[in-house]
Amino acid sequence: DTAVSQTPKYLVTQMGNDKSIKCEQNLGHDTMYWYKQDSKKFLKIMFSYNNKELIINETVPNRFSPKSPDKAHLNLHINSLELGDSAVYFCASSQDIPGGTNEKLFFGSGTQLSVL
Amino acid sequence: AQKVTQAQTEISVVEKEDVTLDCVYETRDTTYYLFWYKQPPSGELVFLIRRNSFDEQNEISGRYSWNFQKSTSSFNFTITASQVVDSAVYFCALSEGSNYQLIWGAGTKLIIKP
Repeated sequence: DTAVSQTPKYLVTQMGNDKSIKCEQNLGHDTMYWYKQDSKKFLKIMFSYNNKELIINETVPNRFSPKSPDKAHLNLHINSLELGDSAVYFCASSQDIPGGTNEKLFFGSGTQLSVL
Repeated sequence: AQKVTQAQTEISVVEKEDVTLDCVYETRDTTYYLFWYKQPPSGELVFLIRRNSFDEQNEISGRYSWNFQKSTSSFNFTITASQVVDSAVYFCALSEGSNYQLIWGAGTKLIIKP
C-alpha cells in the first residue's frame, strides 16, 4: 500500500482553468503538507495542516486553496491557472508537527502540472 | 543570503568512488534541525536523516555517513563505495524559527557512472 498517494500524477490543462490535486495518507499521521518544486528542482512549502487545522500558510496566491476534510486527506484546489503554476506539486505527511521529535516527512510521488 | 547552500549543482563519479555532498547552513537559532533527503529519478523524496543542533556526533548508516560541524555550519553527506542506484538529487534542509518551517537547499544532482 502506498503510504502517501496523490492523484493525478500528471495534469495538463489550459490557462484559466480550475483544477484539484488530491492527497491521502494511510500512515495515521497528524500533519500534512503541500510543496511546490519548480523546474530548477527548488522546493518550497506552500501549506501545512495539523489535525485539519492550518499551521503554515506561506505567501502563495489566494488562487491556491487547501482543504483538509480529515487528517488523512489534504487536497489542493487551484483557481484560474496561470503559466507560472506549472511545476511538480508534492504532498507529504509527518507524524509530528515541524520541530517535533518525529518530524520525518513522507512524500507522495508528485503531480506534474503543466499549464498551457 | 541563502539559508541552506548546496554549492555543488552536479557531481559525477564512477561507481565505487567515495563522494561527499556539501551543505552549509545559516541560522541564529540555538535550536534547529538539519535534514537530508534523496530524490531518485522516480521523483519521490525519501528521508535520509534528521539531526538536531545539540548532537554533533557523526552518524553512519551503511555506506552513508554524515559530518555535522557547528564551527563551520556544515552538515556534509558522504557516500562510500558509490553505486549506480545512488544516482539522485540530494537535498539538505534546515528547520528553525518559531514554526520550524523547513528551508531547503537547491539540491545536488549526483550521477554515478557504471
